[in-house]
Amino acid sequence: ETGVTQSPTHLIKTRGQQVTLRCSSQSGHNTVSWYQQALGQGPQFIFQYYREEENGRGNFPPRFSGLQFPNYSSELNVNALELDDSALYLCASSLGWGHETQYFGPGTRLLVL
Amino acid sequence: QQQVKQSPQSLIVQKGGISIINCAYENTAFDYFPWYQQFPGKGPALLIAIRPDVSEKKEGRFTISFNKSAKQFSLHIMDSQPGDSATYFCAASISNRDDKIIFGKGTRLHILP
Repeated sequence: ETGVTQSPTHLIKTRGQQVTLRCSSQSGHNTVSWYQQALGQGPQFIFQYYREEENGRGNFPPRFSGLQFPNYSSELNVNALELDDSALYLCASSLGWGHETQYFGPGTRLLVL
Repeated sequence: QQQVKQSPQSLIVQKGGISIINCAYENTAFDYFPWYQQFPGKGPALLIAIRPDVSEKKEGRFTISFNKSAKQFSLHIMDSQPGDSATYFCAASISNRDDKIIFGKGTRLHILP
């Protein structure tokens, strides 16, 4: 059984640019959630996808968007990057909607200059 | 509005001692309370979880105590070891909703050898 993987591990962008982060869910998991973890803080929920549909969203602006593909891999897209977007972005997968246990990937460290 | 409050922010414990981390929540609809352990450069890993119909759950050296009336729960690490040095997050979620996990701000635990 493979775990949750994310790419890239690190990324540097400049303000105003756009970024795409990728996540492969754990085998058999059809639900993926994305979190933003600022330095020294707990992760904050961005949104969740279940069977390719957005299933819930946290307090993040529309420039944060996502996709889930038929193989349940996922992307997080952030447009018009701001300095405050610098954070660790975590992807978590679970067996399905209503299954509370989420398994996290190692994250992508994004630095916006 | 911080829905899950965690304390202390940091904790230093001697090897072999008991580490105790406390959390309080506000939303009585929460019905799943996981604890996550995070090492530097890694994503959070599920350590142990509890539901409000149980007052205590033990797994090895890790115990969750849950007080539903006080809306508080805590993690006890018995016989703390240097390898336990990490950041610990308490969290809460509502089953059968969007599964978003609300995290506390974290406790940085250091076990002295």
